[in-house]
Amino acid sequence: KAGVTQTPRYLIKTRGQQVTLSCSPISGHRSVSWYQQTPGQGLQFLFEYFSETQRNKGNFPGRFSGRQFSNSRSEMNVSTLELGDSALYLCASSTGDRAQETQYFGPGTRLLVL
Amino acid sequence: GESVGLHLPTLSVQEGDNSIINCAYSNSASDYFIWYKQESGKGPQFIIDIRSNMDKRQGQRVTVLLNKTVKHLSLQIAATQPGDSAVYFCAETRYNDMRFGAGTRLTVKP
Repeated sequence: KAGVTQTPRYLIKTRGQQVTLSCSPISGHRSVSWYQQTPGQGLQFLFEYFSETQRNKGNFPGRFSGRQFSNSRSEMNVSTLELGDSALYLCASSTGDRAQETQYFGPGTRLLVL
Repeated sequence: GESVGLHLPTLSVQEGDNSIINCAYSNSASDYFIWYKQESGKGPQFIIDIRSNMDKRQGQRVTVLLNKTVKHLSLQIAATQPGDSAVYFCAETRYNDMRFGAGTRLTVKP
């Protein structure tokens, strides 16, 4: 099976702009979770989507949003970018069966906000 | 509050030696634990997992030990190789809520 893919891999934006990142999960996986990774804060959970519905949400401001499509592909959007949003954004997919929680990560999208 | 943490931020070992990476968790309700390896420029890669009804699980060159009494998790890597150099994260999960430790950087000296 192909692994989790994320596009784009690298992105440079300026403050105030908005950005959309994409994630394609492993075939058959219905859950997609998004994480922000920074040197200072480590891996922080943003949100999880399952069957096109947000199932869990972390403690991020409303500027961070996401959605999931019927084919389980997911996008996350960050509006009004701030310098502190510079990070590696990772998505992870899993079956969504809460008895089998293993998440498989994509390579990430590295976002730089100038 | 609830947290997952690591005892050592860095670990340096000689090639061929065994490595032990430790992790402490604070939520006794966590029932599933995972170790991930993250190489530079890549996303975390699943290594091994263990459920709370077990205290030991072995994989290829890796062993995870779970001590629920003291809420401690460890990853043992046998015959450490240069390719094992990476940051290792432990994660605890309750349902699909996954929380990560800060990570330990393992460096393997030739």
